Amino acid sequence: SQTIHQWPATLVQPVGSPLSLECTVEGTSNPNLYWYRQAAGRGLQLLFYSVGIGQISSEVPQNLSASRPQDRQFILSSKKLLLSDSGFYLCAWSDYPTVVGLYGYTFGSGTRLTVV
Amino acid sequence: GQQVMQIPQYQHVQEGEDFTTYCNSSTTLSNIQWYKQRPGGHPVFLIQLVKSGEVKKQKRLTFQFGEAKKNSSLHITATQTTDVGTYFCAGRHAGGTSYGKLTFGQGTILTVHP
Repeated sequence: SQTIHQWPATLVQPVGSPLSLECTVEGTSNPNLYWYRQAAGRGLQLLFYSVGIGQISSEVPQNLSASRPQDRQFILSSKKLLLSDSGFYLCAWSDYPTVVGLYGYTFGSGTRLTVV
Repeated sequence: GQQVMQIPQYQHVQEGEDFTTYCNSSTTLSNIQWYKQRPGGHPVFLIQLVKSGEVKKQKRLTFQFGEAKKNSSLHITATQTTDVGTYFCAGRHAGGTSYGKLTFGQGTILTVHP
């Protein structure tokens, strides 16, 4: 069965420090991968998505970046964190959609980031 | 940009009452999905609707997709305390080039008083 791992679960970082959040998927090949941010426990903001190794699409201009060095590994990074980067970061994967329809997303357990 | 609007933002109900949340899109959707996020947890996929006018049921939950494929609803009959959480709809806009990318609604936070 497919599983998604995301770590760390919580993180407290000072302003200006770097960030690296990692997400890995097991049990599937060539998944679509996504990074979302959720502020104040509400809506999900799509940050990045990837349909393959090295292929990253950015949805929101910001000081964050993403990379996909391996098929099932997705990394969210920042060189210098801002206070506004605080939030709940969620990684998700889905199978590549077919003409039949779109598959549901499976989310990781998330990382609660507090920038102080 | 393409948006999916979801109402209400909050809903407080007494246990045993019914609950409904609605999603509306300005453009036609290829399909729509529903997710539930328990407090402190991550969103969990509930169901996908694809066909115009489609209705699906999961126990006390009824999901509908509008005839024009621009709106959807989730109805919970006789709510229980285990129904507490945030319910999200998410749609893929028809004809989009971002294959597979969903647009999420803002969610409806449901609280149930025992």
